[in-house]
This record gives sequence, C-alpha cells and structure tokens, in this order.
Amino acid sequence: GAVVSQHPSWVICKSGTSVKIECRSLDFQATTMFWYRQFPKQSLMLMATSNEGSKATYEQGVEKDKFLINHASLTLSTLTVTSAHPEDSSFYICSADRDLDSAFGPGTRLLVL
Amino acid sequence: QKEVEQNSGPLSVPEGAIASLNCTYSDRGSQSFFWYRQYSGKSPELIMSIYSNGDKEDGRFTAQLNKASQYVSLLIRDSQPSDSATYLCAVNRFTAGNKLTFGGGTRVLVKP
Repeated sequence: GAVVSQHPSWVICKSGTSVKIECRSLDFQATTMFWYRQFPKQSLMLMATSNEGSKATYEQGVEKDKFLINHASLTLSTLTVTSAHPEDSSFYICSADRDLDSAFGPGTRLLVL
Repeated sequence: QKEVEQNSGPLSVPEGAIASLNCTYSDRGSQSFFWYRQYSGKSPELIMSIYSNGDKEDGRFTAQLNKASQYVSLLIRDSQPSDSATYLCAVNRFTAGNKLTFGGGTRVLVKP
C-alpha cells in the first residue's frame, strides 16, 4: 500500500528557533499534500494544502508567514515552523493525495521549550 | 454548529459486542466519507470509505451513509480490546481534492 513518511518523528527546540518537517510519499507521486495539526485531546485541523509547483493554500487563521510550505517535487513537501513558540507545540501530520483518499504520514511531534 | 460532529464518548463496550458510532455533517456538498482509527500518539489509519447511500461492509466493520439525513455511522462487530482507540469521522468535497474535515472523534473502550 501507499506509504508516506515524515521526518523527524519528534523534535524538541528552543523558543524562537525554526523547525523543518519533511513529508515524503515513498511509492507514489502526489501533486497535492495536506498538513494537519492536532493538539492534545483534539481532532486534526487542516492547516494548508500543499500543491507541487505552486503556492500553498492556507486555511483561515493559519499564518502563512509562520508556517512556510514548500512542495518542490511530486514526492516531497516541507513545513517550516518559523520562530517557534511553546503554543506551536503540537502533533503535525501530513497526508498525500491519492485518487479517492489520502495516505497519512506517521506524524511529527514538536515540543517548543 | 461544527461541520462534522461526533459524540466524544468514551463509548464503553464489552468484548464481543457491537460498537455503534455516529457522525453528522453540515455540508450537503460533501461527497465522500471516511472513518479513521487513531491510537494514542499515532497517526490516523483508514478503516472505511463510503461514497453512496447505504451500507458498506469490510470484515467486522460496516459503514452506513444517509446523505438525506447527513448522517454516517460505523458499526464494529465482535469488538476486541485492540479496537480500543479514537475513531474519527471525516468528510470531503470532491471539488476540494482530498481536503478532509474531521470530527472531534469518539473514544471507544472495549473491556475484556
């Protein structure tokens, strides 16, 4: 089946630093990938749609200058959390579009101290 | 009103019994519907997808969709302790690609 990987699986950083998270589709090409965020005991909330070769589309309330998305190839999208703060600590999950459904990555847990 | 609503639970069922989960959605334009299972600290994994009214069965799982009532459900037969997880309902409009809107999830506890 389709496999999506994320790297790193977890990261701890100091407040003010930037963190890059990679999302790769390993055995299929994905022109569209999605980035979700999940806070403890809450559901997944879509942050943005990442389109290969074009600018990402951000959901209402998500700061595009803080969460930089780059979808440089059909198998890789990156999310960079710039100047991370403790309130950005969350579980970040990507998914890659495939036909009628999406394949989810294993998630990246970010802790900002 | 939330776009996708689920009872947060926990839904406690004895081992071997049927667990029944419900989900309602507000967007009549929704075209595809999914049930995901999420274990604590893990990413969601797809259990079922359903696109047309009626029932769809896959092993111990049955999804039911009623677009007129904007309602989708999931039945888990012969529940096992390993089914203990949070079940997420998600809906999608084809025109938006596979951009999913998730419900809050229902936590299921299967007791041996």
